[in-house]
Amino acid sequence: GQNIDQPTEMTATEGAIVQINCTYQTSGFNGLFWYQQHAGEAPTFLSYNVLDGLEEKGRFSSFLSRSKGYSYLLLKELQMKDSASYLCAVSPSGNTPLVFGKGTRLSVIA
Amino acid sequence: GAGVSQSPSNKVTEKGKDVELRCDPISGHTALYWYRQSLGQGLEFLIYFQGNSAPDKSGLPSDRFSAERTGGSVSTLTIQRTQQEDSAVYLCASKGAGTYNEQFFGPGTRLTVL
Repeated sequence: GQNIDQPTEMTATEGAIVQINCTYQTSGFNGLFWYQQHAGEAPTFLSYNVLDGLEEKGRFSSFLSRSKGYSYLLLKELQMKDSASYLCAVSPSGNTPLVFGKGTRLSVIA
Repeated sequence: GAGVSQSPSNKVTEKGKDVELRCDPISGHTALYWYRQSLGQGLEFLIYFQGNSAPDKSGLPSDRFSAERTGGSVSTLTIQRTQQEDSAVYLCASKGAGTYNEQFFGPGTRLTVL
């Protein structure tokens, strides 16, 4: 089966750092994606990991451990505009549809 | 076009009526996906088109749901005899050939069945 778990909600303070975890069990693995989705809007691509390790892109970083079926998204220097849902998704293979977690709703407070 | 577009953005319908949702993918993208997002749930795969191959319909929840893709571009998702549990946001995504599996999403159609 396919299963992706991530926390439902998180709250963090403006300027702080937050880590959103994701664990997965899928029939295959061709990469893990993080998407950001503001309320009422389309998901937008943040990061992609297919090899173990950390990928850094500005204030956002994403980590992958394939042996542990684990990833995290790290957001630094939080801003109010970072309040959104963060979706973890796995590509089991090639062009096949992504398997999504339920998303983590992040609230950034002053 | 610049991105994936979907229409209508909102649709309110009565139980039992049929609805059609449209998706215009990014020009040249060969793969097109339909997902459904219900309140508090993750994105649920519905159907997937890749080039001229037969679509993968394994995610369609019932035979009331169908989709087609004309000319390898625009896609229409049809829901017949709508039920209240069909209320959700329907998202379309497209992907180019030769890239890793990054999918570009449209803004979605919010369907409300009364």
